[in-house]
Amino acid sequence: DIQMTQSPSSLSASVGDRVTITCRASLRISVYLNWYQQKPGKAPKLLIYTASKLQSGVPPRFSGSGSGTDFTLTISSLQPEDFATYYCQQSFSTLWTFGQGTKVEVK
Amino acid sequence: QVTLKESGPVLVKPTETLTLTCTVSGFSLSTPRVGVAWIRQPPGKALEWLAHIFSNDEESYSTSLKSRLTISKDTSKSQVVLTMTNMHPVDTATYYCARVLQDDGFFDFWGQGNLVTVSS
Repeated sequence: DIQMTQSPSSLSASVGDRVTITCRASLRISVYLNWYQQKPGKAPKLLIYTASKLQSGVPPRFSGSGSGTDFTLTISSLQPEDFATYYCQQSFSTLWTFGQGTKVEVK
Repeated sequence: QVTLKESGPVLVKPTETLTLTCTVSGFSLSTPRVGVAWIRQPPGKALEWLAHIFSNDEESYSTSLKSRLTISKDTSKSQVVLTMTNMHPVDTATYYCARVLQDDGFFDFWGQGNLVTVSS
């Protein structure tokens, strides 16, 4: 199975900060990388698919980039509603796998 | 409007079989290139994909859990059913179903989740 490793596991940031989360795949996965946001007690929400495409309704402060094995999710200006846990997921192999998550906390 | 809703027990005993049902609306389980996946999340831990089934009946299972899982669908009832045998306390988790597009492999709509506790 393809292993997905996110870094950092957690970070502290302030409203207005630029935040970057990294996801690394154990094999090359082209651009088949998706990002989700999850708030406590809620189901995950799709933010970015195929590495850089913004899901409908997601604010443009979220962006994704990368290909091959290294990917990033960037929040250009952190808003109060963005404090959450973020997960990457590869869809290159149909044995889909998630990263371990990155928790974005208030500084 | 696409919705998915999980239903099933909240408590199961060790060694029992878990049966969860995902009822979908706003799309058909016969829509080409569309499917439903099951994903779970132990308390405080990461998401784990378990299985999926597509409209063409193609199925796939997690490598580590394959021997314990069965997924099926009833298109007429708009339901996808997941069974997991021989439940252990470590299987305590919130179980989600989600819609997945076959060509892209991402989960665009999710159910609210069903917390299942495994305890005697």
